[in-house]
Amino acid sequence: NAGVTQTPKFQVLKTGQSMTLQCAQDMNHEYMSWYRQDPGMGLRLIHYSVGAGITDQGEVPNGYNVSRSTTEDFPLRLLSAAPSQTSVYFCASQDSATNEKLFFGSGTQLSVL
Amino acid sequence: DAKTTQPNSMESNEEEPVHLPCNHSTISGTDYIHWYRQLPSQGPEYVIHGLTSNVNNRMASLAIAEDRKSSTLILHRATLRDAAVYYCILNGGATNKLIFGTGTLLAVQP
Repeated sequence: NAGVTQTPKFQVLKTGQSMTLQCAQDMNHEYMSWYRQDPGMGLRLIHYSVGAGITDQGEVPNGYNVSRSTTEDFPLRLLSAAPSQTSVYFCASQDSATNEKLFFGSGTQLSVL
Repeated sequence: DAKTTQPNSMESNEEEPVHLPCNHSTISGTDYIHWYRQLPSQGPEYVIHGLTSNVNNRMASLAIAEDRKSSTLILHRATLRDAAVYYCILNGGATNKLIFGTGTLLAVQP
């Protein structure tokens, strides 16, 4: 199993550009989520999903859109990037039926100029 | 949303035990208590989790208060490689919002 795969690992955007951060998991996990982590700060929940077709907002959802058309994929979209969205983004998944551990991707370092 | 409260930072000496506390007074009966840690420049990694009973694994032990309103992560012999930010979160049951908070920064002195 590959676990949780995030792409790209690094990205530089200009203010106003759009992009999609990809997250895929091959463990058939129902629960997936996105976090952002600013320098020296903890992880903050952006959006999460408890299954295909179901998404909900986390602590800091503004400026981000998500969709969950399949169990495997949970992309995060920035429609109009802002410098305040410069951060490291982590995707995570979990088997919500057992409440076992969260599996994290390796992160995406995003810089918005 | 159920929240947890942790000290901002703690210090320990190498090869001594470390007790990292976490308060979760609004925990529901079906919430699991999870601990993760984040080493410098890395993503979070799982440490341990439990529901009611104390738990042990190769990394640490988790002691859960009888009323479940607090828990303690125990590192039996801290090493320099244990220097990290430790997060306590509530998982499952009443909440699907897995909120991490700011965690405890553990410094280990040689």
